[in-house]
Amino acid sequence: TQLLEQSPQFLSIQEGENLTVYCNSSSVFSSLQWYRQEPGEGPVLLVTVVTGGEVKKLKRLTFQFGDARKDSSLHITAAQPGDTGLYLCAGGGGNQFYFGTGTSLTVIP
Amino acid sequence: DAGVIQSPRHEVTEMGQEVTLRCKPISGHNSLFWYRQTMMRGLELLIYFNNNVPIDDSGMPEDRFSAKMPNASFSTLKIQPSEPRDSAVYFCASTQTGGHTEAFFGQGTRLTVV
Repeated sequence: TQLLEQSPQFLSIQEGENLTVYCNSSSVFSSLQWYRQEPGEGPVLLVTVVTGGEVKKLKRLTFQFGDARKDSSLHITAAQPGDTGLYLCAGGGGNQFYFGTGTSLTVIP
Repeated sequence: DAGVIQSPRHEVTEMGQEVTLRCKPISGHNSLFWYRQTMMRGLELLIYFNNNVPIDDSGMPEDRFSAKMPNASFSTLKIQPSEPRDSAVYFCASTQTGGHTEAFFGQGTRLTVV
């Protein structure tokens, strides 16, 4: 059972554009993480959000945790080719991580 | 620390053969996870260990899959017999026990069963 749905599944944009990726669930999570995965590598953590409504910024990336702790969004401003990769959200409960379906982002120079 | 180390990086085997994937977690991490990643199903949790004890193996596809963690620094995932539908990238990840912890992933093993 896939607990976390991400949208869009694929996204191809021009360098300099803005984009938002969504992560939705019917379940409540104690925390939510965003990872980025590059080809041939494992996912690498970008951020963890734990409080409903929390907003975190990491340079051009803005992460938000929904008030009900069931959903999250990732907004990238002025995307660059180096942002290309697979973005995965992961909901935490206890010591387990349930990963989302993933969003494959391609930024065209 | 060198991070989570997986071996081999690539494995090509014939259907019916036994396959063993290996993982060395980060020293001091108490929890270890095995995941399988495919285009169709994304990243699926197969099993996870806490302090070397299997806690949840409900994601293991069937009896052909087995995992062990004989000590804190080593784990194996075995498939016997292997089938073409087992072809995927298998990841191992480790974390320190506790809430909101970061999962550190290995580079994965790309398994191809022909």
